[in-house]
Amino acid sequence: EPEVTQTPSHQVTQMGQEVILRCVPISNHLYFYWYRQILGQKVEFLVSFYNNEISEKSEIFDDQFSVERPDGSNFTLKIRSTKLEDSAMYFCASTKAGRYNEQFFGPGTRLTVL
Amino acid sequence: SQELEQSPQSLIVQEGKNLTINCTSSKTLYGLYWYKQKYGEGLIFLMMLQKGGEEKSHEKITAKLDEKKQQSSLHITASQPSHAGIYLCGADNTGNQFYFGTGTSLTVIP
Repeated sequence: EPEVTQTPSHQVTQMGQEVILRCVPISNHLYFYWYRQILGQKVEFLVSFYNNEISEKSEIFDDQFSVERPDGSNFTLKIRSTKLEDSAMYFCASTKAGRYNEQFFGPGTRLTVL
Repeated sequence: SQELEQSPQSLIVQEGKNLTINCTSSKTLYGLYWYKQKYGEGLIFLMMLQKGGEEKSHEKITAKLDEKKQQSSLHITASQPSHAGIYLCGADNTGNQFYFGTGTSLTVIP
């Protein structure tokens, strides 16, 4: 069964460093998303991506964040200068058709900023 | 923004018991989704409801969206340890951002 994969599973970085979180969505899916979940809090929407551009982004997704689909398979989230409060679980998701219909989630990347 | 309040926050039930989780929205729901999250893992889609009064079932889990489309309930019949996890409702607010609820943690005691 096809699945969304994410790497790395755990990333530790120093404050101020850049990080890139990687996701491989399901191959025939067209819509891609990033979410984050700070420990003990709600899962929060960051951004949706379709047709090689951002469709929607939340207030959290400021200039420090960027997304890219560098090739036909990967979907990345970059945080330019990490802050302590960026520590969270980051989930990638994808859907085949129609925004937000049956999102398939990856297992997440736990980002720890020291 | 959309606020989704879930109740209860946590639930501990004996195996075999029925249970209900509620999700109340601050706005009329365009689409309501139920997901399950196992501890430390990603989210698994359960079902999607769009029409007021709609009810869907999958195995022993039934979800319903009320007529006014501002509340949904998830009912599990004859709970099993495999049902344990965190249940999240989610909403697509007129196709813009996606919002998740506060979550309900379910523990099923064998």
